[in-house]
Amino acid sequence: EPEVTQTPSHQVTQMGQEVILRCVPISNHLYFYWYRQILGQKVEFLVSFYNNEISEKSEIFDDQFSVERPDGSNFTLKIRSTKLEDSAMYFCASSWRGRANEKLFFGSGTQLSVL
Amino acid sequence: QKEVEQNSGPLSVPEGAIASLNCTYSDRGSQSFFWYRQYSGKSPELIMSIYSNGDKEDGRFTAQLNKASQYVSLLIRDSQPSDSATYLCAVDSGTYKYIFGTGTRLKVLA
Repeated sequence: EPEVTQTPSHQVTQMGQEVILRCVPISNHLYFYWYRQILGQKVEFLVSFYNNEISEKSEIFDDQFSVERPDGSNFTLKIRSTKLEDSAMYFCASSWRGRANEKLFFGSGTQLSVL
Repeated sequence: QKEVEQNSGPLSVPEGAIASLNCTYSDRGSQSFFWYRQYSGKSPELIMSIYSNGDKEDGRFTAQLNKASQYVSLLIRDSQPSDSATYLCAVDSGTYKYIFGTGTRLKVLA
């Protein structure tokens, strides 16, 4: 079965440093998402992306965050200047048409630790 | 603020019993409802989706939806120790995102 792949699986960084989390969505999917989950808390929506534009973003997704589809396969989340509270598991997801009744396929996640 | 509420548990059931997991949501406009299973440190895995009032069965799993009461449930029949996980309820927000509940931790005791 096709899957969403994320790299790296773990990322440790110092506060204030920039990090880039990478994702390869399923090849025929058109809608891409980032969610995050702080340890012990709920899965939270960050951003959705379609046709090289942000479709929607949450309050969490402030100016420190950006997303990009640099080529035909990768989808990245950049955090410009990491804070301690950015420590979380970050999940990339994709779907074919982005409709409300559609299944999201999640990647295995990147555990980000900010020291 | 659209909310999805779940009892955090843990819900403990003996092996072979029926586990019943519940979820309420605040947005009457929501049309799509999902149950995900999440093992510790892993990504959410879709178990069931339901869009219409009533029951939907898939193997040992039954999802139930009552839009009037804004209530979704998941029944797991013949629970197995391998079903021990956190079960996440997710609801569409009407736009390009889902809202997740905090999840209910299920423990199936051998």
